[in-house]
Amino acid sequence: DAGVTQSPTHLIKTRGQHVTLRCSPISGHKSVSWYQQVLGQGPQFIFQYYEKEERGRGNFPDRFSARQFPNYSSELNVNALLLGDSALYLCASSLVGEAREQFFGPGTRLTVL
Amino acid sequence: AQSVTQLDSQVPVFEEAPVELRCNYSSSVSVYLFWYVQYPNQGLQLLLKYLSGSTLVKGINGFEAEFNKSQTSFHLRKPSVHISDTAEYFCAVSDFGTASKLTFGTGTRLQVTL
Repeated sequence: DAGVTQSPTHLIKTRGQHVTLRCSPISGHKSVSWYQQVLGQGPQFIFQYYEKEERGRGNFPDRFSARQFPNYSSELNVNALLLGDSALYLCASSLVGEAREQFFGPGTRLTVL
Repeated sequence: AQSVTQLDSQVPVFEEAPVELRCNYSSSVSVYLFWYVQYPNQGLQLLLKYLSGSTLVKGINGFEAEFNKSQTSFHLRKPSVHISDTAEYFCAVSDFGTASKLTFGTGTRLQVTL
C-alpha cells in the first residue's frame, strides 16, 4: 500500500508570493494534519482536518489556510510568503481524529528567497 | 498547554554501545507519548508509542522506552546501537482526545561512530 504522498518535493518561491502544497493520505485514512519543521527544530502543528472539517489549528497567522477534499486529500496554502516560512512542511494521516497512530509523508521543502 | 524537553541536542556513541535519549514532558492532563525518528531528507517514522497499560514499551529496530508518570519522563533506550541508527530522534506528546495535535521536542541527534 502507498504511504502518505506529498507534492511537490521541493519548491522555491520569492517573498510575497503564494504557495499551495498537496497531500494524499493513506487509503482509508480520514484525518490529515500539517506540520512545519524549521531547520534544526521539531515539527510545529499547523492544522488538522478530519472528515473535511477543521478540528485543530496551531499558532500560525491567517496567511496559512488549508482544506480537505471529499477524497480526503488536502491542500495547505500560504499567502504573502516571508523568509521565515522556509521550512519542511510535513503532512500526516491517521484513521481517526486522535494522534494514536499518525503516518508522516516525506515532506515538501519550501525555500523562500 | 503541553511541552516536551529533550535534554540532549546531540548524543555521540560508539557502535554496539548502549544509548539513552532523554525526554521530559509537561501536561496538566493524561497524555499519549511517542518517539519518532527522522533520517536525512526524509519524513518522520514512528519508533514506538505509549497509550496506556505497561509502562515499558517496545518499538521497532530494537528500541524501547519507559513511561515514568511521577518523573514525567519517557526516555528512549537501545542496548546496542548500529551505524544505521544515526538520525534525528523526536519525542512527542498528545492529550487524550485532542484531535491529532502532536507537540514535539527540539530533537536529539544520535551520531553513531565506529
